[in-house]
Amino acid sequence: EVQLVQSGAGLVQPEGSLTLSCAASGFTFSNYWMSWVRQAPGKGLQWVANIGQDGSEKYYADSVEGRFIISRDNAKNSVSLQMTSLRADDTAVYYCARISGHESGDGSRHWFFDLWGRGTLVTVSS
Amino acid sequence: QMTQSPSSLSASVGDRVTITCRASQVIRNYLAWYQQRPGKVPQVLIYAASTLQSGVPARFSGSGSGTDFSLTISSLQPEDVATYYCQDYHTAPWTFGQGTKVEIK
Repeated sequence: EVQLVQSGAGLVQPEGSLTLSCAASGFTFSNYWMSWVRQAPGKGLQWVANIGQDGSEKYYADSVEGRFIISRDNAKNSVSLQMTSLRADDTAVYYCARISGHESGDGSRHWFFDLWGRGTLVTVSS
Repeated sequence: QMTQSPSSLSASVGDRVTITCRASQVIRNYLAWYQQRPGKVPQVLIYAASTLQSGVPARFSGSGSGTDFSLTISSLQPEDVATYYCQDYHTAPWTFGQGTKVEIK
């Protein structure tokens, strides 16, 4: 079955750290870019970070740059999000997502999240 | 930055519904639309501004280029109750609109 299974949810104190993991199965993991997207309670979606197929390219939202690190292990078909210096406004459900690409007729490349994990709740509170 | 409007709407079954999304800079057609039903994970509806993802009902359509985009549901169905998000993937950082909540009147 094609799926993303997440782990690592929890309650953490402000300035604390937490690592989220996402295990992929049912597809060739190393062929895909991967991403983390979060959603604060009752709020909208916020993109967090992307990582390229071999892990050499990484991009982050300004709000997490320098505090979060995205990484992947293609041998284990997994992607992780290491979060440090956590703040109350990092409280959210964190989704792991697969990025698929489509090449248009004009040669442009288009990207979209086509597979999502179920999400894990991270609560930052004292 | 992506600005969606309206933030919410209520329409009757069978109505035509349109949601708009405006980008703060030109993003060509590097735009996707997602549907998030209550309590569920998001699902992609449209990418490249107007390309329907496989398996998505044909009553959904997207249009636009540059800075102004729209998502149209040609005939609203009960299962379309959800929050809809546009998302720009032109360059990092990728950004989502704030969402449009669609309800049945």
